[in-house]
Amino acid sequence: AAGVIQSPRHLIKEKRETATLKCYPIPRHDTVYWYQQGPGQDPQFLISFYEKMQSDKGSIPDRFSAQQFSDYHSELNMSSLELGDSALYFCASRTLNSPLHFGNGTRLTVT
Amino acid sequence: KQEVTQIPAALSVPEGENLVLNCSFTDSAIYNLQWFRQDPGKGLTSLLLIQSSQREQTSGRLNASLDKSSGRSTLYIAASQPGDSATYLCAVRRTNQAGTALIFGKGTTLSVSS
Repeated sequence: AAGVIQSPRHLIKEKRETATLKCYPIPRHDTVYWYQQGPGQDPQFLISFYEKMQSDKGSIPDRFSAQQFSDYHSELNMSSLELGDSALYFCASRTLNSPLHFGNGTRLTVT
Repeated sequence: KQEVTQIPAALSVPEGENLVLNCSFTDSAIYNLQWFRQDPGKGLTSLLLIQSSQREQTSGRLNASLDKSSGRSTLYIAASQPGDSATYLCAVRRTNQAGTALIFGKGTTLSVSS
């Protein structure tokens, strides 16, 4: 079965650079979530989209922005990167009453 | 504010034991609860989803129960195997509104020795 696809798998950036993470949800899933997971931490909710509109907002820094496109894929844009942004970034998707399915994540390292 | 707590934080058992992982949440007004498994450095794999109107869900050797009124869920793993070693996270969803975030506990790291 198709799963949530995230790219890239690994990303290394320097401080103050920008990064773009991509997420392709499971086909026919209309809702996308972004989570950040630091080392040894539980996933922290950043932002979600339903039918291409922002639906809920969590602890997403102002330096980050995201959107969901007409084909339902989503991108997380991160600017002015800081060392503390180093983490695993997960995308997840679902449709009504279905479980939330996560991608394998993008590991971002900021040096 | 919803808080999700998982006890214990870590658990080590010998192969073949039955075990229970606990999850508690402070606000009983949830829409559903989901259990996930996470291997080190990997993504989260959905194990079981329990709607607020349900008492339990079963999948193979896994059984999850939900007592919404007391704010508790348990994940029962029967006949544990070394391959069950992973971190298990529970997460609750507040409403059915599309895009509502899941709030996660910090997980229980399970180690099953052969």
